[in-house]
Amino acid sequence: DAKTTQPPSMDCAEGRAANLPCNHSTISGNEYVYWYRQIHSQGPQYIIHGLKNNETNEMASLIITEDRKSSTLILPHATLRDTAVYYCIVRGPAGGTSYGKLTFGQGTILTVHP
Amino acid sequence: DTEVTQTPKHLVMGMTNKKSLKCEQHMGHRAMYWYKQKAKKPPELMFVYSYEKLSINESVPSRFSPECPNSSLLNLHLHALQPEDSALYLCASSPTGVHNYGYTFGSGTRLTVV
Repeated sequence: DAKTTQPPSMDCAEGRAANLPCNHSTISGNEYVYWYRQIHSQGPQYIIHGLKNNETNEMASLIITEDRKSSTLILPHATLRDTAVYYCIVRGPAGGTSYGKLTFGQGTILTVHP
Repeated sequence: DTEVTQTPKHLVMGMTNKKSLKCEQHMGHRAMYWYKQKAKKPPELMFVYSYEKLSINESVPSRFSPECPNSSLLNLHLHALQPEDSALYLCASSPTGVHNYGYTFGSGTRLTVV
């Protein structure tokens, strides 16, 4: 799976959009971009994933550049409860009896302040 | 039921003890995982089970012994652990047979070896 690079930390004001970048310049054509977050002392939580199109769900939006070498996770209206470590992960598809490793990098510590 | 349940939440054990961690899910997921997370570090994959068979062992020491007795249960048996094995142990599950999916993580067992 391709490696990812994220800034170690970011700050965001409550109510503003939080834009978390991720570089994955060695991504292959069939590899997906996943985002997870981990709030202190809890298990990681799935946020969103995408292949090449932009994606949106109730939690966030994922913008993937046309060359797929980078992506941005957008939390449109950050709250204090969004303070967490955010992990960007690139991995290939899995199917049938196969499985895929989910390998975590160092992630970005997002701090949302009042 | 959309949760992965881990028990116990906290465990303190001596280096000569034998203990077990338990993980349970009822989402019909046929892949299950054990991760280990040290303080301020990302989760690290230990074991992968696919259709109740061990698929990946990430060179984990034999004092950690996984077991998958059925499609809903995953155990991690612990014996003769060292203080450096103190960590948060996370269980996760995911569907198989599809091209994109997210893992569901439990809240973890915080293990302290004394």
